[in-house]
Amino acid sequence: AQSVTQPDIHITVSEGASLELRCNYSYGATPYLFWYVQSPGQGLQLLLKYFSGDTLVQGIKGFEAEFKRSQSSFNLRKPSVHWSDAAEYFCAVGPLLRGSNYKLTFGKGTLLTVNP
Amino acid sequence: DTGVSQDPRHKITKRGQNVTFRCDPISEHNRLYWYRQTLGQGPEFLTYFQNEAQLEKSRLLSDRFSAERPKGSFSTLEIQRTEQGDSAMYLCASSLARGVGMNTEAFFGQGTRLTVV
Repeated sequence: AQSVTQPDIHITVSEGASLELRCNYSYGATPYLFWYVQSPGQGLQLLLKYFSGDTLVQGIKGFEAEFKRSQSSFNLRKPSVHWSDAAEYFCAVGPLLRGSNYKLTFGKGTLLTVNP
Repeated sequence: DTGVSQDPRHKITKRGQNVTFRCDPISEHNRLYWYRQTLGQGPEFLTYFQNEAQLEKSRLLSDRFSAERPKGSFSTLEIQRTEQGDSAMYLCASSLARGVGMNTEAFFGQGTRLTVV
């Protein structure tokens, strides 16, 4: 069964500092990989996704993520964090199958706090 | 297009009552998904539809839960005889499947937060 591990439950960074959120997945083949962000009481917004090709993907709000097959990782990065980035971040994996139904398996999330 | 819309945003109900939630997907999207998110957890898949057909249901979806998408547009999720353990955020998402293996990503609504007292 596929699974996603986000090792860090809570991360605190200072505004302007760099950020890296970790994500490891377990899946039998190369999956679709996603990062979503959720503000309190809100739904999920897609930050970026990886399907194939270039392993470094760019997303919205200045985020990027790198797929490393050998490490089964898809870590999210941002060079300079803004106070508005404070939120919960979820890594997700979806099956890469013909006719994929996009059933996503999510990690438990990483809560990001940004100090002024 | 205003995105995926869910109604109500919040629902408080007494244990044992039935509740129904509605989801309106992005208009051209043919796939619709329901997820449940409990406190401190990521969303968990419940079920999904392609057009009006319900194609997969999670083991999380007990007999008290039923979902419909009668005309392939909006969907409803009903919980009968609610229990305190049903308290969660219920998220709806939609995507467009253009062909085999060609799907857009899922776009999520803002969710319906259910509290069972």
